[in-house]
Amino acid sequence: EDQVTQSPEALRLQEGESSSLNCSYTVSGLRGLFWYRQDPGKGPEFLFTLYSAGEEKEKERLKATLTKKESFLHITAPKPEDSATYLCAVDSNYQLIWGAGTKLIIKP
Amino acid sequence: GAVVSQHPSRVICKSGTSVKIECRSLDFQATTMFWYRQFPKQSLMLMATSNEGSKATYEQGVEKDKFLINHASLTLSTLTVTSAHPEDSSFYICSATIPGGGNNEQFFGPGTRLTVL
Repeated sequence: EDQVTQSPEALRLQEGESSSLNCSYTVSGLRGLFWYRQDPGKGPEFLFTLYSAGEEKEKERLKATLTKKESFLHITAPKPEDSATYLCAVDSNYQLIWGAGTKLIIKP
Repeated sequence: GAVVSQHPSRVICKSGTSVKIECRSLDFQATTMFWYRQFPKQSLMLMATSNEGSKATYEQGVEKDKFLINHASLTLSTLTVTSAHPEDSSFYICSATIPGGGNNEQFFGPGTRLTVL
């Protein structure tokens, strides 16, 4: 059964303290893996798409990487405005499988 | 580019009434739109896939007679919650993909908070 698991559920960091969020997946046919950011009471905002193992993408303080089993979203020197829930989704044979998200809180 | 809007952003209604939510792609034509609902502190739950000019495809467990979806144009899909009850209170979000993009990224609207009294 296709499954996407995100960890940790919640992560509290001090401003400037770098860390990583994990998205592990078990799917039958990976077509792409997506990262989104969601602020409270808003729709998800698209961040990245990764297609194959070894691929990396960066945007400001965020970098997403992909292996055959998991993806990491690295956040470098985060700021309070990076606080949000980060969602991972995997396109498995044209069906999106969503993770439950990681709630990231950056304290000033 | 790839901007999706929803209207209304919030709606409060009485039990038994019907509520219509609109989802529009503002700067592209979307042959496919998706409707999700999200409960507090939970991830997105796909309700249905809306295809322009044809019937929507509903996920298992979603009542198609209760959640009516119409995708009458390439830029507009509507979700009507019929005879709403308090348990239908939720955050409803639509998304759309860019046709021919090949990447299947979904671009989301800002969501609609429905409260049924």
